[in-house]
Amino acid sequence: QVQLVQSGAEVKKPGASVKISCKASGYTFTSYFFHWVRQAPGQGLEWMGLINPTGGRTTYGHKFQGRVTLTRDTSTSTVHMELSNLRSEDTAIYYCARDSVEALDIWGQGTMVTVSS
Amino acid sequence: QSALTQPASVSGSPGQSITISCTGTSSDIGGYKYVSWYQQQPGQAPKLIIYDVSERPSGVSNRFSGSKSGNTASLTISGLHVEDEADYYCYSYTLSSTWVFGGGTKVTVL
Repeated sequence: QVQLVQSGAEVKKPGASVKISCKASGYTFTSYFFHWVRQAPGQGLEWMGLINPTGGRTTYGHKFQGRVTLTRDTSTSTVHMELSNLRSEDTAIYYCARDSVEALDIWGQGTMVTVSS
Repeated sequence: QSALTQPASVSGSPGQSITISCTGTSSDIGGYKYVSWYQQQPGQAPKLIIYDVSERPSGVSNRFSGSKSGNTASLTISGLHVEDEADYYCYSYTLSSTWVFGGGTKVTVL
């Protein structure tokens, strides 16, 4: 079946970087864009950016410009999200999601990132 | 890009209809048909329930419907069920080729 499976929870210190993976299966990887969304504890959803898996072209949210990097590996049908210079406010669940019909129809299970000294 | 504006909470009794608004600008909701809605149950990933303003994905109840007028999109839940209690988010494409969520609305079934 169509699914996105994300890597496991991470605990990082302030100033460090985190890299989360999102592996797609059940469909042609290059047919749909991927979005990354995060949700801080008790808060709403926040869009971070997207990547076109065909050519690797990315678009980032203004808030994350310079700190987030999205990449893809077509050989493993995996997209990655790296967030650098972490601070406590980056503690959140991070989701990848597939963009179909200009909406997010399939979501990963989420990856909890905790930033704490 | 500021978040789209949604009411923090909406409530209704079983069987009633409720409507959640999502207000943006001509640079997002008002300028594009790419408005979608998501339902998020506690501890779960969001689920797509409406796309392209008013289209329902296969498998989503027809009690959910969407519309748009000017810079405001709306989600209506008809015949409210207890299991509809959840958080709901709108989502829109923007002029700067980015995307933006609404702040979210908590629906309570009384």
